[in-house]
Amino acid sequence: KAGVTQTPRYLIKTRGQQVTLSCSPISGHRSVSWYQQTPGQGLQFLFEYFSETQRNKGNFPGRFSGRQFSNSRSEMNVSTLELGDSALYLCASSPPTGTVQETQYFGPGTRLLVL
Amino acid sequence: QQQVKQSPQSLIVQKGGISIINCAYENTAFDYFPWYQQFPGKGPALLIAIRPDVSEKKEGRFTISFNKSAKQFSLHIMDSQPGDSATYFCAASYGGATNKLIFGTGTLLAVQP
Repeated sequence: KAGVTQTPRYLIKTRGQQVTLSCSPISGHRSVSWYQQTPGQGLQFLFEYFSETQRNKGNFPGRFSGRQFSNSRSEMNVSTLELGDSALYLCASSPPTGTVQETQYFGPGTRLLVL
Repeated sequence: QQQVKQSPQSLIVQKGGISIINCAYENTAFDYFPWYQQFPGKGPALLIAIRPDVSEKKEGRFTISFNKSAKQFSLHIMDSQPGDSATYFCAASYGGATNKLIFGTGTLLAVQP
């Protein structure tokens, strides 16, 4: 099976712009989670989608949003970018159990640089 | 209470030695404890995971020791190899239908040949 894919892999934006990142989960996986990774804050949970519904949300401002489509692909959007949003954004998918924690398989991430 | 504290921040081990990384948590609602390995330019990859109903789990050279009363768990890498040089993250997750992981701060492991 193909792994989790994320596009684009690298992105440069300027402050105030918005950005959309895409994640394609492993075939058959229905849960998609997003994480932000920075040197200072480490790996922080953004949100999780399961069957097109947001199931969990981390402590990020409303500028960070996401959605999931019927084919389980997911997008996250960051509006009004700030310098501090520069990070590696990781997507992870999990098998379709839906009731207990399952192994999360991470993609390679999208590295976002905000200038 | 949501934190997972990880130590040490960095670790240097000789080839063939044992690498030990420790994590501690406060929230007793956590009931799933995975360890992830991350190489530069890659996403984290699951190494091994444990649930609180067992005190130890071993997979190959990797062992998790879990102390529920102390709220601590650790990763032991036996016979450490240069290829094990990477950043290791412990994590914890709540029970129920959630895949939300709370990560430790990471340990950069360097195995010297």
